[in-house]
Amino acid sequence: GAVVSQHPSRVICKSGTSVKIECRSLDFQATTMFWYRQFPKQSLMLMATSNEGSKATYEQGVEKDKFLINHASLTLSTLTVTSAHPEDSSFYICSARTERTRNEQFFGPGTRLTVL
Amino acid sequence: GQQLNQSPQSMFIQEGEDVSMNCTSSSIFNTWLWYKQEPGEGPVLLIALYKAGELTSNGRLTAQFGITRKDSFLNISASIPSDVGIYFCAGRDGNNRLAFGKGNQVVVIP
Repeated sequence: GAVVSQHPSRVICKSGTSVKIECRSLDFQATTMFWYRQFPKQSLMLMATSNEGSKATYEQGVEKDKFLINHASLTLSTLTVTSAHPEDSSFYICSARTERTRNEQFFGPGTRLTVL
Repeated sequence: GQQLNQSPQSMFIQEGEDVSMNCTSSSIFNTWLWYKQEPGEGPVLLIALYKAGELTSNGRLTAQFGITRKDSFLNISASIPSDVGIYFCAGRDGNNRLAFGKGNQVVVIP
């Protein structure tokens, strides 16, 4: 149990386009979902926290108009990178939390975004 | 956000050896977690610790929640090649926020 999926697993796009990444909790309802960004050989950096039906809470320094988060249901959250630029290239990982397992965060497999 | 000090940052070990790594913080945490991440994948939860002094095992992995609530260690016994990966510690504070260490790259030499 506690499986989180992400789609797509990797995406290459041209500069200026927008990219949507989906995060789904497959076998549980997640009260809260999180979006992280990870650079090579670095730790995970929290970008934002989202609760179903409400606006996401962004970490300091993360542009909310650049990284749009929609938490449409208890099993789906999406991250849209708008007008992507090469510096947005990174590994994006979502996680979901459930009270069923003592509020532990379970992570998706990540999405590798490359902006040309 | 809070940063955890994780050491060592990388280690090369012979297959069969035991591995030990630890994580410290200047802040108190209510929960300590250990994750493993393999290349191109998300972190996978290995062990969760909820009480100061708690010692928990998961197969060849053993982790302990420090008495001061500011540290934790993870041991891997009798390492095998598939233990290779980056091991992250994480601490959860009273506001339910998770802070991560910088990770420990483990390489197992057959």
